[in-house]
Amino acid sequence: GAVVSQHPSWVICKSGTSVKIECRSLDFQATTMFWYRQFPKQSLMLMATSNEGSKATYEQGVEKDKFLINHASLTLSTLTVTSAHPEDSSFYICSVKTIPDYNEQFFGPGTRLTVL
Amino acid sequence: GQNIDQPTEMTATEGAIVQINCTYQTSGFNGLFWYQQHAGEAPTFLSYNVLDGLEEKGRFSSFLSRSKGYSYLLLKELQMKDSASYLCAVSDSNYQLIWGAGTKLIIKP
Repeated sequence: GAVVSQHPSWVICKSGTSVKIECRSLDFQATTMFWYRQFPKQSLMLMATSNEGSKATYEQGVEKDKFLINHASLTLSTLTVTSAHPEDSSFYICSVKTIPDYNEQFFGPGTRLTVL
Repeated sequence: GQNIDQPTEMTATEGAIVQINCTYQTSGFNGLFWYQQHAGEAPTFLSYNVLDGLEEKGRFSSFLSRSKGYSYLLLKELQMKDSASYLCAVSDSNYQLIWGAGTKLIIKP
């Protein structure tokens, strides 16, 4: 399967700062990337879907001005959590699809964000 | 609306067999996935069913009945390392994954 990396794997920041998380597809071109958030003991929650070169599509209830997504190339998508607050502390996971409409998603290892 | 149901938690004994059920109601169907997720890690792919029947892969098997909106994941010869959450996800008419809340499987010696 496809190899997906995320950086950083964990980050601790102060309230009010911005944090950027990178998601890279290492061995293929990802036409579509997904960003998920997972709170402890809960399932994955899709935040947004991004296609290379176009604006991300955000799920209902996700603030697009707070969670900035940039999918500038076929191998890189970034999620920036702006003015992070303790309630934003979560596990952020990206996944990719290699071909539009193909089913399987390949997941990155996740980024653990802790906002103090 | 779209809905995926699976038990919240199950407990089984090492060496035994366990079946984790998943029922779904979605707008369209383009396949059902099972993922395994260990605590603090991202999900890893286990199986994919798009046609009715049983798919076997080593100790893990997955079954699908589209007419019943039902799937199960069967784990045989349970090992302690199988302790994890098991996520059922359905690909809808737009090829978007609809996720269940996951089943936490606890394996006891």
